[in-house]
Amino acid sequence: QVQLVESGGGVVQPGKSLKLSCAASGFTFKDFAVHWVRQAPGKGLEWVAVISFDGSKKHYLDSVKGRFSISRDNSRNTLYLQMNNLTSEDTAMYHCAKSSHEVAAADIDTWGQGTLVTVSS
Amino acid sequence: SFVLTQPPSVSVAPGQTATITCGGNNIGRKSVNWYQQEPGQAPVLVVYDDSDRPAGMPERFSGSNSGNTATLTITRVEAGDEADYYCQVWDSNGDLVVFGGGTKLTVL
Repeated sequence: QVQLVESGGGVVQPGKSLKLSCAASGFTFKDFAVHWVRQAPGKGLEWVAVISFDGSKKHYLDSVKGRFSISRDNSRNTLYLQMNNLTSEDTAMYHCAKSSHEVAAADIDTWGQGTLVTVSS
Repeated sequence: SFVLTQPPSVSVAPGQTATITCGGNNIGRKSVNWYQQEPGQAPVLVVYDDSDRPAGMPERFSGSNSGNTATLTITRVEAGDEADYYCQVWDSNGDLVVFGGGTKLTVL
């Protein structure tokens, strides 16, 4: 059973940092690109970042460039999102999501349930 | 970046056909994916590559894409189809994923 389980969310003050993790199981993690997609309360889906199967290519939403960093550890079947200098605009449920291929330009065939990040003083 | 435009809401009676559109400049040249999201749940892929269905997805769900509009069609709508639906493409110009704003499907 293909599964993605996010962790690391919580309440954080503006300007602070947080690191999210996503544990993958049920498939060969190292063969697929993976994304982070967020959803602010009551809003639509917003893509955040993607990393290729081998970690060599990373792409980001403009508003998080320079603040967020996506990475992966294929030996641990884990995806990460390091978030720095957080603002209230980053408050959202963050979903880990698996591409159906090794590259980013493909459909997302599996989603995690998400971890909630709240940026508030 | 590439912009995808969806109607905020669509309403349909049970048993009827729901049509959800996704507009974008020459979207017909791109591969469009569609996701269903029920309240409090993670999204689920319902159509990929314009018109293909994932294994196990009912044939009631179908997609098409041409010109400036992609369309998700749900035939014989059921109460369980009530959800938010999002279209999505890969914007190769900016190397990023783009989602439409989402359409809330209400089953009357």
